[in-house]
Amino acid sequence: DTEVTQTPKHLVMGMTNKKSLKCEQHMGHRAMYWYKQKAKKPPELMFVYSYEKLSINESVPSRFSPECPNSSLLNLHLHALQPEDSALYLCASSQEGGGSGNTIYFGEGSWLTVV
Amino acid sequence: EDQVTQSPEALRLQEGESSSLNCSYTVSGLRGLFWYRQDPGKGPEFLFTLYSAGEEKEKERLKATLTKKESFLHITAPKPEDSATYLCAVTWGNYQLIWGAGTKLIIKP
Repeated sequence: DTEVTQTPKHLVMGMTNKKSLKCEQHMGHRAMYWYKQKAKKPPELMFVYSYEKLSINESVPSRFSPECPNSSLLNLHLHALQPEDSALYLCASSQEGGGSGNTIYFGEGSWLTVV
Repeated sequence: EDQVTQSPEALRLQEGESSSLNCSYTVSGLRGLFWYRQDPGKGPEFLFTLYSAGEEKEKERLKATLTKKESFLHITAPKPEDSATYLCAVTWGNYQLIWGAGTKLIIKP
C-alpha cells in the first residue's frame, strides 16, 4: 500500500471553477512532487518542493498553483483550467530531492476532468 | 541527448512463460535507475532501485539487473496479475527522473 495519500480520487470541474488537490505523506520525506500524466505517457514533472520550499517549476501555467503548508502536506490549487488539463495528477515524495538518487514514491493519483 | 528507451513497447505472454523487459539509457553519471509497475488509472508502484553496474534485486517473480548501459526486468513464470505497464526511469546529476515510455505487459491465462 502506498504511503502517499491523495484526495480526491476523482474530480470534475468546470473551466471557471476553483478546486484543490491534496496530498499527504507520513514517511518523513523532505521532497514532494506534483506530476501530470496523460494516457499512455509517462509522468511529467510539474513542481518539486524541497524542505517546504519550491525548488523546481517546470514552466507550468499559472492556473496551477502549488502550496506546501508543512513537510507532510502538498496542495495543488486549480483555477480556470482548460479541457486539455484533464489528466491523472500524481503526488510523490522522496527522502531528498534534486536528483539525489533517492527513490520517489507515488500516490494513487487524482483523476481530473475539466468540462 | 540523454534518454531512456524501453523495449518492447508491448509484450504478450502466456501464463508461466518467462521473459525480460529492457531499459537502455544514455545518461552519464547515473545516480539511480528505478523500475515501477503501473496499473490502469493508478499511480506508479515502486518495484526496485539499482545504483551500480552488476547490482541485482529480486521480488517474488521479478528480478532486476543493471549494466553500464541497460537494465533488465526478468519475469519468471508470470501470472495474469503481473499484467501492467512497467516503467523505467533514471536520475543523474541534478535532474529529476527521466522516464522511458514503458512496456505494456499482458499475461494470458
